[in-house]
Amino acid sequence: ILNVEQSPQSLHVQEGDSTNFTCSFPSSNFYALHWYRWETAKSPEALFVMTLNGDEKKKGRISATLNTKEGYSYLYIKGSQPEDSATYLCACQGGATNKLIFGTGTLLAVQP
Amino acid sequence: KAGVTQTPRYLIKTRGQQVTLSCSPISGHRSVSWYQQTPGQGLQFLFEYFSETQRNKGNFPGRFSGRQFSNSRSEMNVSTLELGDSALYLCASSPTGTSPDTQYFGPGTRLTVL
Repeated sequence: ILNVEQSPQSLHVQEGDSTNFTCSFPSSNFYALHWYRWETAKSPEALFVMTLNGDEKKKGRISATLNTKEGYSYLYIKGSQPEDSATYLCACQGGATNKLIFGTGTLLAVQP
Repeated sequence: KAGVTQTPRYLIKTRGQQVTLSCSPISGHRSVSWYQQTPGQGLQFLFEYFSETQRNKGNFPGRFSGRQFSNSRSEMNVSTLELGDSALYLCASSPTGTSPDTQYFGPGTRLTVL
């Protein structure tokens, strides 16, 4: 059974700050790591799917890295904007199925 | 392309009743997964359907069931509702079901059990 943990639980930053969050997962049985961004009253939005150790992905000001050997992924946001305020979720796939095991998320609040 | 849609968006039921939730995937997607979110819990996997067959099941009691139709639309049923079933139920679709696939989520159905 996979156990996915995210830290911190919540984060308050000022507009323009850069920030990062951590997702930890068991390194055994790893298949893929997903990042989502979830704004209140909207659908979770897929950010990245990562599979390879050392993988780095980027989408605008948001980027992510993956270390499958030690079982963690970092999500970075450069120059946070108020519209980045959301809950950021990571989810681990332990095999070649679509079953995702989610962490409880990091709630980011960006103050203008 | 239209996104994943779920109906109804909100639902209020009483204990002991049963409920059916519906999910229409993105056109062409064949895999539909269901998740439950309760306060303080992350999204918990319920089950996945691919080509009308349940391919994977989470750790939920048998009161939770689902099915998928030939057009890939999926329904989830909860029988004999309990207060603890109050939650946000999300479905997600993906194109082929061949991992790793991005899963696209719907807006969810908020179920309240009184």
